[in-house]
Amino acid sequence: GEDVEQSLFLSVREGDSSVINCTYTDSSSTYLYWYKQEPGAGLQLLTYIFSNMDMKQDQRLTVLLNKKDKHLSLRIADTQTGDSAIYFCAESIPSGTYKYIFGTGTRLKVLA
Amino acid sequence: GAVVSQHPSWVICKSGTSVKIECRSLDFQATTMFWYRQFPKQSLMLMATSNEGSKATYEQGVEKDKFLINHASLTLSTLTVTSAHPEDSSFYICSARGTPVSGANVLTFGAGSRLTVL
Repeated sequence: GEDVEQSLFLSVREGDSSVINCTYTDSSSTYLYWYKQEPGAGLQLLTYIFSNMDMKQDQRLTVLLNKKDKHLSLRIADTQTGDSAIYFCAESIPSGTYKYIFGTGTRLKVLA
Repeated sequence: GAVVSQHPSWVICKSGTSVKIECRSLDFQATTMFWYRQFPKQSLMLMATSNEGSKATYEQGVEKDKFLINHASLTLSTLTVTSAHPEDSSFYICSARGTPVSGANVLTFGAGSRLTVL
Protein backbone atom coordinates (compact mmCIF):
# COMPACT_ATOMS: atom_id res chain seq x y z
CA GLY A 1 0.00 0.00 0.00
CA GLU A 2 0.89 3.66 -0.09
CA ASP A 3 2.12 5.14 3.15
CA VAL A 4 4.40 8.09 3.86
CA GLU A 5 5.60 8.71 7.39
CA GLN A 6 7.33 11.65 9.04
CA SER A 7 8.22 12.58 12.57
CA LEU A 8 5.71 15.09 13.94
CA PHE A 9 7.93 17.71 15.52
CA LEU A 10 11.41 19.16 15.26
CA SER A 11 12.85 22.03 17.24
CA VAL A 12 16.20 23.66 16.42
CA ARG A 13 18.06 26.81 17.33
CA GLU A 14 18.48 29.60 14.82
CA GLY A 15 21.64 29.09 12.79
CA ASP A 16 21.73 25.33 13.29
CA SER A 17 20.94 22.79 10.59
CA SER A 18 17.57 21.04 10.51
CA VAL A 19 17.07 17.56 9.17
CA ILE A 20 13.55 16.38 8.43
CA ASN A 21 13.10 12.71 7.63
CA CYS A 22 10.52 10.85 5.61
CA THR A 23 9.93 7.19 4.85
CA TYR A 24 7.70 5.84 2.12
CA THR A 25 6.55 2.42 1.06
CA ASP A 26 5.75 2.58 -2.66
CA SER A 27 8.85 1.68 -4.65
CA SER A 28 7.25 2.82 -7.91
CA SER A 29 7.55 6.48 -6.93
CA THR A 30 8.96 8.53 -9.78
CA TYR A 31 9.52 11.82 -8.02
CA LEU A 32 9.62 12.83 -4.39
CA TYR A 33 8.85 16.33 -3.20
CA TRP A 34 9.21 18.60 -0.24
CA TYR A 35 6.54 21.22 0.43
CA LYS A 36 6.36 23.92 3.09
CA GLN A 37 3.11 25.10 4.67
CA GLU A 38 2.92 28.22 6.77
CA PRO A 39 -0.05 28.74 9.12
CA GLY A 40 -3.35 29.15 7.30
CA ALA A 41 -1.74 28.95 3.89
CA GLY A 42 -1.44 26.53 1.01
CA LEU A 43 1.60 24.46 0.19
CA GLN A 44 4.74 25.91 -1.35
CA LEU A 45 7.03 23.63 -3.34
CA LEU A 46 10.54 23.72 -1.95
CA THR A 47 12.31 21.14 -4.04
CA TYR A 48 11.92 17.74 -5.64
CA ILE A 49 14.15 14.84 -6.59
CA PHE A 50 13.91 12.20 -9.27
CA SER A 51 13.85 8.69 -7.88
CA ASN A 52 17.09 7.64 -9.60
CA MET A 53 19.06 10.43 -7.93
CA ASP A 54 20.51 10.19 -4.45
CA MET A 55 21.16 13.84 -3.71
CA LYS A 56 20.04 17.27 -4.80
CA GLN A 57 21.26 20.59 -3.46
CA ASP A 58 19.48 23.89 -3.86
CA GLN A 59 20.97 26.80 -1.90
CA ARG A 60 20.30 26.05 1.80
CA LEU A 61 18.37 22.89 1.00
CA THR A 62 19.88 19.45 0.55
CA VAL A 63 17.72 16.45 -0.30
CA LEU A 64 19.06 12.96 0.26
CA LEU A 65 17.31 9.91 -1.13
CA ASN A 66 18.04 6.32 -0.14
CA LYS A 67 15.90 4.38 -2.54
CA LYS A 68 16.89 1.00 -1.11
CA ASP A 69 15.63 1.99 2.34
CA LYS A 70 12.85 4.19 0.93
CA HIS A 71 14.11 7.08 3.02
CA LEU A 72 14.09 10.74 2.08
CA SER A 73 15.50 13.64 4.06
CA LEU A 74 15.54 17.40 3.80
CA ARG A 75 18.41 19.32 5.36
CA ILE A 76 18.03 23.05 5.89
CA ALA A 77 21.34 24.76 6.53
CA ASP A 78 21.56 27.87 8.73
CA THR A 79 17.93 27.55 9.80
CA GLN A 80 16.14 30.86 10.30
CA THR A 81 13.01 31.77 12.26
CA GLY A 82 11.23 32.23 8.93
CA ASP A 83 11.74 28.54 8.27
CA SER A 84 9.29 27.69 11.06
CA ALA A 85 6.44 25.89 9.31
CA ILE A 86 5.09 22.43 8.57
CA TYR A 87 7.08 20.45 6.03
CA PHE A 88 5.45 17.73 3.97
CA CYS A 89 7.18 15.14 1.87
CA ALA A 90 5.19 13.65 -0.96
CA GLU A 91 5.66 10.94 -3.52
CA SER A 92 4.28 10.93 -7.03
CA ILE A 93 2.77 7.62 -8.02
CA PRO A 94 2.56 6.86 -11.75
CA SER A 95 -1.05 5.71 -11.57
CA GLY A 96 -2.52 7.48 -14.54
CA THR A 97 -3.19 10.82 -12.94
CA TYR A 98 0.11 10.94 -11.03
CA LYS A 99 -1.54 11.66 -7.73
CA TYR A 100 0.56 12.62 -4.76
CA ILE A 101 0.70 10.78 -1.49
CA PHE A 102 1.57 13.20 1.30
CA GLY A 103 3.42 12.47 4.48
CA THR A 104 2.01 13.30 7.86
CA GLY A 105 3.95 16.57 8.05
CA THR A 106 6.74 17.70 10.37
CA ARG A 107 6.24 20.86 12.37
CA LEU A 108 9.57 22.71 12.52
CA LYS A 109 10.03 25.27 15.24
CA VAL A 110 13.09 27.50 15.09
CA LEU A 111 14.13 29.04 18.38
CA ALA A 112 15.79 32.44 18.35
CA GLY B 1 5.92 30.65 -12.21
CA ALA B 2 2.64 28.83 -12.11
CA VAL B 3 0.00 30.39 -9.88
CA VAL B 4 -3.21 28.87 -8.59
CA SER B 5 -5.83 31.16 -7.15
CA GLN B 6 -8.41 29.82 -4.73
CA HIS B 7 -11.50 31.69 -3.68
CA PRO B 8 -12.89 32.37 -1.15
CA SER B 9 -10.02 32.13 1.33
CA TRP B 10 -12.48 31.75 4.16
CA VAL B 11 -16.22 31.32 4.40
CA ILE B 12 -18.72 30.96 7.22
CA CYS B 13 -22.11 29.50 6.44
CA LYS B 14 -25.19 28.17 8.18
CA SER B 15 -25.84 24.47 8.44
CA GLY B 16 -27.84 23.20 5.46
CA THR B 17 -26.56 25.71 2.95
CA SER B 18 -24.23 25.00 0.03
CA VAL B 19 -20.84 26.57 -0.48
CA LYS B 20 -18.84 26.81 -3.69
CA ILE B 21 -15.05 27.08 -3.74
CA GLU B 22 -13.24 28.05 -6.92
CA CYS B 23 -9.79 27.03 -8.02
CA ARG B 24 -8.22 28.83 -10.98
CA SER B 25 -4.92 28.33 -12.73
CA LEU B 26 -3.88 31.86 -13.63
CA ASP B 27 -1.08 31.49 -16.12
CA PHE B 28 -1.25 27.93 -17.30
CA GLN B 29 -3.77 25.37 -18.44
CA ALA B 30 -4.49 22.68 -15.93
CA THR B 31 -5.82 19.46 -17.39
CA THR B 32 -5.95 17.94 -13.94
CA MET B 33 -6.77 19.53 -10.61
CA PHE B 34 -6.84 17.92 -7.21
CA TRP B 35 -8.96 18.74 -4.18
CA TYR B 36 -7.63 18.08 -0.70
CA ARG B 37 -9.06 18.40 2.74
CA GLN B 38 -6.87 19.16 5.73
CA PHE B 39 -7.95 18.72 9.32
CA PRO B 40 -6.20 20.73 12.04
CA LYS B 41 -2.61 19.59 12.58
CA GLN B 42 -3.04 16.77 10.09
CA SER B 43 -1.85 15.94 6.63
CA LEU B 44 -3.68 16.53 3.39
CA MET B 45 -6.31 14.02 2.44
CA LEU B 46 -6.96 13.69 -1.27
CA MET B 47 -10.69 13.99 -1.90
CA ALA B 48 -10.92 13.82 -5.66
CA THR B 49 -9.17 14.28 -8.96
CA SER B 50 -10.83 16.71 -11.30
CA ASN B 51 -10.28 16.26 -15.04
CA GLU B 52 -11.28 18.88 -17.55
CA GLY B 53 -14.30 17.84 -19.53
CA SER B 54 -14.99 14.61 -17.67
CA LYS B 55 -16.33 13.41 -14.35
CA ALA B 56 -14.19 13.73 -11.26
CA THR B 57 -12.64 10.66 -9.70
CA TYR B 58 -13.40 10.46 -6.01
CA GLU B 59 -11.27 8.75 -3.39
CA GLN B 60 -12.73 6.00 -1.30
CA GLY B 61 -14.98 7.29 1.44
CA VAL B 62 -15.63 10.69 -0.17
CA GLU B 63 -19.30 11.26 -1.00
CA LYS B 64 -19.57 12.54 -4.56
CA ASP B 65 -23.08 13.85 -3.99
CA LYS B 66 -21.87 15.79 -0.99
CA PHE B 67 -18.79 17.26 -2.64
CA LEU B 68 -19.67 18.22 -6.19
CA ILE B 69 -16.74 18.91 -8.47
CA ASN B 70 -16.94 20.61 -11.82
CA HIS B 71 -13.98 21.21 -14.14
CA ALA B 72 -15.61 22.98 -17.04
CA SER B 73 -12.53 24.66 -18.46
CA LEU B 74 -8.78 24.23 -18.50
CA THR B 75 -8.37 26.98 -15.92
CA LEU B 76 -11.24 26.48 -13.49
CA SER B 77 -12.40 23.74 -11.16
CA THR B 78 -15.07 24.22 -8.52
CA LEU B 79 -15.88 22.28 -5.38
CA THR B 80 -19.39 22.67 -3.99
CA VAL B 81 -20.06 21.43 -0.49
CA THR B 82 -23.78 20.70 -0.56
CA SER B 83 -26.03 20.90 2.50
CA ALA B 84 -23.05 21.69 4.66
CA HIS B 85 -22.92 20.53 8.28
CA PRO B 86 -20.51 21.43 11.09
CA GLU B 87 -18.48 18.28 10.46
CA ASP B 88 -17.70 19.63 6.98
CA SER B 89 -15.79 22.49 8.56
CA SER B 90 -12.23 22.15 7.38
CA PHE B 91 -9.44 23.63 5.30
CA TYR B 92 -9.90 22.77 1.64
CA ILE B 93 -6.93 23.09 -0.71
CA CYS B 94 -6.83 22.69 -4.45
CA SER B 95 -3.84 22.02 -6.63
CA ALA B 96 -3.26 21.95 -10.33
CA ARG B 97 -0.93 19.96 -12.53
CA GLY B 98 0.21 21.76 -15.63
CA THR B 99 2.94 20.92 -18.04
CA PRO B 100 5.58 18.68 -16.45
CA VAL B 101 8.75 20.50 -15.36
CA SER B 102 11.80 18.53 -16.42
CA GLY B 103 9.60 15.46 -16.28
CA ALA B 104 8.45 16.13 -12.74
CA ASN B 105 4.72 16.39 -12.18
CA VAL B 106 4.91 19.45 -10.01
CA LEU B 107 1.68 20.46 -8.36
CA THR B 108 0.97 24.09 -7.68
CA PHE B 109 -1.29 24.68 -4.70
CA GLY B 110 -3.88 27.29 -3.99
CA ALA B 111 -3.76 29.18 -0.69
CA GLY B 112 -6.65 27.15 0.68
CA SER B 113 -10.20 27.89 1.76
CA ARG B 114 -11.24 27.65 5.37
CA LEU B 115 -14.86 26.61 5.70
CA THR B 116 -16.70 27.03 8.99
CA VAL B 117 -20.23 25.68 9.19
CA LEU B 118 -22.29 26.98 12.08
